[in-house]
Amino acid sequence: DGGITQSPKYLFRKEGQNVTLSCEQNLNHDAMYWYRQDPGQGLRLIYYSQIVNDFQKGDIAEGYSVSREKKESFPLTVTSAQKNPTAFYLCAFRDRRTGELFFGEGSRLTVL
Amino acid sequence: DQQVKQNSPSLSVQEGRISILNCDYTNSMFDYFLWYKKYPAEGPTFLISISSIKDKNEDGRFTVFLNKSAKHLSLHIVPSQPGDSAVYFCAARSIKAAGNKLTFGGGTRVLVKP
Repeated sequence: DGGITQSPKYLFRKEGQNVTLSCEQNLNHDAMYWYRQDPGQGLRLIYYSQIVNDFQKGDIAEGYSVSREKKESFPLTVTSAQKNPTAFYLCAFRDRRTGELFFGEGSRLTVL
Repeated sequence: DQQVKQNSPSLSVQEGRISILNCDYTNSMFDYFLWYKKYPAEGPTFLISISSIKDKNEDGRFTVFLNKSAKHLSLHIVPSQPGDSAVYFCAARSIKAAGNKLTFGGGTRVLVKP
């Protein structure tokens, strides 16, 4: 799994429901990120966390929330306030030595 | 305001030939650049990177060129193979930016024909 696991891989949600996407890493990295990918578009940063109990908004944080209570876990909640939640969500950690981001397999959320 | 742009959404190339992917950026504070490869329904995987102190970096069939004055970088794949068919994202980072965030381009879909 490359040290990072996202679940579920596919998720369906009715409008008005909140949903939480899981992201777990077992390589003891401090920095973690959530990106969103829409068809034909690049990756846009939602939230990031550089250390436990701290996180910062990215470029498109509205309608999302995160927590970082444990170093290995960085869950993303897509709230009912997110107007266009259907997308492919990607979680990543940053390798502290090289600065590269390593991504999970992604979670595809579809709102019905 | 797109700080990283990949102006070609798609590219088709014959197997064995060269694939050239282009990327332009506007933020002069960017000092580290990366290319990622992505298959459908999977996360992107790191391919190659280059620091702003260099103008070329090579790794096997993949070479990245950086032209700082033009704020342009390119990825060359030689020779192209059918397994290279994927979406390629260019990304950039400024060491001075909070969080070491990567800013991604919109991607270029490459199709390598056998």
